[in-house]
Amino acid sequence: GAGVSQSPSNKVTEKGKDVELRCDPISGHTALYWYRQSLGQGLEFLIYFQGNSAPDKSGLPSDRFSAERTGGSVSTLTIQRTQQEDSAVYLCASSLARGRYETQYFGPGTRLLVL
Amino acid sequence: GENVEQHPSTLSVQEGDSAVIKCTYSDSASNYFPWYKQELGKGPQLIIDIRSNVGEKKDQRIAVTLNKTAKHFSLHITETQPEDSAVYFCAASITGTASKLTFGTGTRLQVTL
Repeated sequence: GAGVSQSPSNKVTEKGKDVELRCDPISGHTALYWYRQSLGQGLEFLIYFQGNSAPDKSGLPSDRFSAERTGGSVSTLTIQRTQQEDSAVYLCASSLARGRYETQYFGPGTRLLVL
Repeated sequence: GENVEQHPSTLSVQEGDSAVIKCTYSDSASNYFPWYKQELGKGPQLIIDIRSNVGEKKDQRIAVTLNKTAKHFSLHITETQPEDSAVYFCAASITGTASKLTFGTGTRLQVTL
């Protein structure tokens, strides 16, 4: 079946502009995660949605970052007033979130470059 | 919070040799340890995982071991092939609560002919 999809695959923007990144999780997956991967670094947790529960926003680096998940499916990560240090690959993952262990499946990522 | 350290950062082996990547974690409550492989320009793909109630798991040429007492886990790849060349990430999480993964910083594996 279809995996996690993300759009756009690449985004170049100017410092100070806002950007929106989209994630379509695997159908039926109730949990959705956003991570950030800076060049040559590991993955940094940003935010986590689980069903109708309040999201875990503990990883968001500043109030310029926000995310929403509409209808329990598609999610949008918004970065306002982008800075050069926001340049990174933004990865989305989803999981069934059933049972005790929930495998996370990742999308291909959106490569963001802030000039 | 959880902290995961991963070594080495780069690893070069000859085709057919074995490769070992090691990770340590700090939170004794962590109970789920997946390994991901990331090829250039792609998202991470799960290759194997281990739960805290087992010490070892194998899947063909890949194995993972877990030592809960020492809080470390390792990935073993035997009979390496050129297509094994990629960046490998270990991760840890506490499932049943907020299941966010804490990742290591990655190991770039290069398998040479």
